[in-house]
Amino acid sequence: AQSVTQLGSHVSVSEGALVLLRCNYSSSVPPYLFWYVQYPNQGLQLLLKYTTGATLVKGINGFEAEFKKSETSFHLTKPSAHMSDAAEYFCAVTLSGSARQLTFGSGTQLTVLP
Amino acid sequence: DSGVTQTPKHLITATGQRVTLRCSPRSGDLSVYWYQQSLDQGLQFLIQYYNGEERAKGNILERFSAQQFPDLHSELNLSSLELGDSALYFCASSPTGVANTEAFFGQGTRLTVV
Repeated sequence: AQSVTQLGSHVSVSEGALVLLRCNYSSSVPPYLFWYVQYPNQGLQLLLKYTTGATLVKGINGFEAEFKKSETSFHLTKPSAHMSDAAEYFCAVTLSGSARQLTFGSGTQLTVLP
Repeated sequence: DSGVTQTPKHLITATGQRVTLRCSPRSGDLSVYWYQQSLDQGLQFLIQYYNGEERAKGNILERFSAQQFPDLHSELNLSSLELGDSALYFCASSPTGVANTEAFFGQGTRLTVV
């Protein structure tokens, strides 16, 4: 079975500051990892994903994440926050080769302060 | 716009009633997934269909059922509704059922049971 833990249900940063959203996973086999963003009253939009290969993954809107197997982590970062980044962010995992059932973390609400 | 269409967007109904939520996947996508997002349970995978056949089941209650039709649209049926069934129900679709392909989410149906 797999699970995802997102540390910090709420994160606040100032505009222009570094964004760091933490995600740790638990999986008995190599996982596929995803970050999704949910804007108010919207569905989930994929930011980036890790499947195999390069452990530093670049996504949309300037976000990136690094898969660290030794730390079982997949933290999401962005060098400079923008007001439009305010949203809820979900880390998710699915097992390689399995039917695609995403297990989501509990989400992190990002607030960007002017 | 993800290309996944869910109807209705909002639904208010009484306890004990039955409702049907509808999902039209992106053109060409064979897999449909249903997720439930509630305040206490977070985002949970309910069920997956692939080309008309059930592929995987998650935390779906016996009062809930789903199907995927020959034109690939899917319906989620919720019966004997309880207050606790109030949630946002998302449909997602992907070209295949393979784990490393992106799933595209609809905007959801917000169900309120009163």
